[in-house]
Amino acid sequence: QKEVEQDPGPLSVPEGAIVSLNCTYSNSAFQYFMWYRQYSRKGPELLMYTYSSGNKEDGRFTAQVDKSSKYISLFIRDSQPCDSATYLCAMWGGGGGSNYKLTFGKGTLLTVNP
Amino acid sequence: GAVVSQHPSRVICKSGTSVKIECRSLDFQATTMFWYRQFPKQSLMLMATSNEGSKATYEQGVEKDKFLINHASLTLSTLTVTSAHPEDSSFYICSALDRPGRSSYNEQFFGPGTRLTVL
Repeated sequence: QKEVEQDPGPLSVPEGAIVSLNCTYSNSAFQYFMWYRQYSRKGPELLMYTYSSGNKEDGRFTAQVDKSSKYISLFIRDSQPCDSATYLCAMWGGGGGSNYKLTFGKGTLLTVNP
Repeated sequence: GAVVSQHPSRVICKSGTSVKIECRSLDFQATTMFWYRQFPKQSLMLMATSNEGSKATYEQGVEKDKFLINHASLTLSTLTVTSAHPEDSSFYICSALDRPGRSSYNEQFFGPGTRLTVL
């Protein structure tokens, strides 16, 4: 079993739809949960991060973490064509020291159709 | 947010040649940088962790003699793919860690990537 599982899609939705993206993980040591957006042929950019369980909202984006189920989600409300990208979840156990390695999911390719 | 640049953005080379990719943090100092490789429709695979002034730490399965990493300053890390072969063709991305320990969060900033094609 991989440490982080993410359905690669592709996912195609009409403009204005609510999009739900998710990842599952197996390592209970993960404490920080991030979502990155990556446009084609570009580097990833951080959308949101959440520490431990709970919800976090930023504009049209909401991140949820359920550590008991080892399940994280990213919701996009009122999706726009400019949201079309690959969305990668990433996780980190915290603690600092010399270990700042992130563990990434495979990424979900999202297309929002106008 | 902090800016990380990579150069070149794209390179095409012949099999057997060596290619150097630069990763620069433009407006902050990065004691730690990471090098990733990404194949089409695949996730980012960490290749190595680069620490300023010390040897890089390579992930299992990554050949350190083939992928040479030099982190000579707080704003520059380089990855050299030696004797490149077609199977090394990939998208190489670096990230830079903004002052580890400054915040509790591991804030890495990613470069735009370098697409390497080996003929």
